[in-house]
Amino acid sequence: AQSVTQLDSQVPVFEEAPVELRCNYSSSVSVYLFWYVQYPNQGLQLLLKYLSGSTLVKGINGFEAEFNKSQTSFHLRKPSVHISDTAEYFCAVIGKTSYDKVIFGPGTSLSVIP
Amino acid sequence: DADVTQTPRNRITKTGKRIMLECSQTKGHDRMYWYRQDPGLGLRLIYYSFDVKDINKGEISDGYSVSRQAQAKFSLSLESAIPNQTALYFCATSDGGRNEQYFGPGTRLTVT
Repeated sequence: AQSVTQLDSQVPVFEEAPVELRCNYSSSVSVYLFWYVQYPNQGLQLLLKYLSGSTLVKGINGFEAEFNKSQTSFHLRKPSVHISDTAEYFCAVIGKTSYDKVIFGPGTSLSVIP
Repeated sequence: DADVTQTPRNRITKTGKRIMLECSQTKGHDRMYWYRQDPGLGLRLIYYSFDVKDINKGEISDGYSVSRQAQAKFSLSLESAIPNQTALYFCATSDGGRNEQYFGPGTRLTVT
């Protein structure tokens, strides 16, 4: 079974500042990793995913994440945030040997301050 | 038009009432999911279906049932609603575990 921890429930950051949203997972098997974003009053949409290969993954809207197998982490970063990045961000994991259920973290609420 | 639609978008109902939430998709995906979202808990899986004849319980299926009427339609029912089922409910689809899930806009359900 897999589990996901997002260490920060809320992250306030000033506009144009960098941000890092942390995600750690546990799993007894190799995993695929995802970051989803949920804008106010909307469903979730995919930001980026790690399946294999390069550990640095680039996604939409200038976000990127780095897979660190030894630390079982998949932190999300953006060098300069905009007001429009204010949203809830969810890290998610699925075991490579269990193509059935994605496990979502509890979410991190990013608030960008003008 | 949206790829994944949910009806209704908002619903207020009373304890003990039966309610159905509906989900339709035009993605052509075989896999469909129902989640509930509660503050601080993320998304928790209620039921999932890999095709019309394959339905599975998720981590919090008690008090819920589902029906997969067709590849494109997946309904969630609360047979006798209770206040702690007040939540935001999402339907999602995918065409494989390693691929992204596509979410509907959500149904906000309040049970009084």
